[in-house]
Amino acid sequence: RKEVEQDPGPFNVPEGATVAFNCTYSNSASQSFFWYRQDCRKEPKLLMSVYSSGNEDGRFTAQLNRASQYISLLIRDSKLSDSATYLCVVNRRGGGNKLTFGTGTQLKVEL
Amino acid sequence: EPEVTQTPSHQVTQMGQEVILRCVPISNHLYFYWYRQILGQKVEFLVSFYNNEISEKSEIFDDQFSVERPDGSNFTLKIRSTKLEDSAMYFCASIGGQSTEAFFGQGTRLTVV
Repeated sequence: RKEVEQDPGPFNVPEGATVAFNCTYSNSASQSFFWYRQDCRKEPKLLMSVYSSGNEDGRFTAQLNRASQYISLLIRDSKLSDSATYLCVVNRRGGGNKLTFGTGTQLKVEL
Repeated sequence: EPEVTQTPSHQVTQMGQEVILRCVPISNHLYFYWYRQILGQKVEFLVSFYNNEISEKSEIFDDQFSVERPDGSNFTLKIRSTKLEDSAMYFCASIGGQSTEAFFGQGTRLTVV
């Protein structure tokens, strides 16, 4: 089983739609969770951390279920500029804070 | 805003040549990383570096690869004898002592011909 698994995508949605990304992780020792955004041929950039209680940042909502080892990202009122690849990232402390990336889910928001 | 910087942005090299990719992490960060991304594929962990030594490395990081922190600011990745399959985007990242959020450099695109 992969350490971090994401929806394969791509997701093509109309502007204004709500879109949800799912992610599961296999290592129960994982301690920190993130969603990164990556534009084509650019570096990953932190979108938001994911906390156990769930957290929201404007149109973006992240949820974590430790029991199910499941992470989600919800984007409301999607905009053309949201088009990118969304990366689920898990940090396991011990041995130096190793970040493990999912394969990413590509989102295309269309007019 | 502090950032991780990488040089060069693009390097073309002949197969069998040595390359050194350079990174300047954020100044007060303690954990340093190299990742690579082959075009169209996922971001893959290569190596982590903490307290002046490698703390973890992946199976990709074989004897052809080495890392150094030669002074207080630079963090380098050396590939001794490049292969065609080393062509990829190489990202450097760093994490601060109190944080678990990683900041990435803009990457070096390595093309081996």
